[in-house]
Amino acid sequence: ETGVTQTPRHLVMGMTNKKSLKCEQHLGHNAMYWYKQSAKKPLELMFVYSLEERVENNSVPSRFSPECPNSSHLFLHLHTLQPEDSALYLCASSQDPANTEAFFGQGTRLTVV
Amino acid sequence: DAKTTQPTSMDCAEGRAANLPCNHSTISGNEYVYWYRQIHSQGPQYIIHGLKNNETNEMASLIITEDRKSSTLILPHATLRDTAVYYCIVRLHNTDKLIFGTGTRLQVFP
Repeated sequence: ETGVTQTPRHLVMGMTNKKSLKCEQHLGHNAMYWYKQSAKKPLELMFVYSLEERVENNSVPSRFSPECPNSSHLFLHLHTLQPEDSALYLCASSQDPANTEAFFGQGTRLTVV
Repeated sequence: DAKTTQPTSMDCAEGRAANLPCNHSTISGNEYVYWYRQIHSQGPQYIIHGLKNNETNEMASLIITEDRKSSTLILPHATLRDTAVYYCIVRLHNTDKLIFGTGTRLQVFP
């Protein structure tokens, strides 16, 4: 238990569906992150939020839309995904973007059919 | 791109020390060396980090060479639960980026 909880743990969606991934941290951290981990590839940083403000967007397609309503919650809204978007999506948090230690959730295993 | 080079895989007998090397020959003076690991089907877990001096905590020891071009993560008494992919990462201390490479897959066997 890392203090970062992601739901759902598994998700299967069609290419025309709209779904959302949720991340919640109980650590009092101010920075939250979305990472993508595809099979046989390193983790890729997608988005960074600091104090609910997006501070980084690493050229992620617009079919991925993050939302950070408060410092404890982070969402990733998904729409019109492609099969190649199937991956493990990991949320992380840290005290602030300059902090040394990031805590990761267990991830959501997404399959796009 | 990741700035580190690690062996693809390593084996270690249970109870023995696991020594995981990492090359970071282009590291700059204000960049730290971080280690994370990822056990199967879980998110990455922070292990340790250092700048110049050797570091030790309850999980592992980090040995950084004097020229800082390489480092070694040491798990003093490996257990089966230490089987995981270990990532060596170089990052600035005041930046938000953790850039993961492909890591070393450590298999601890009985």
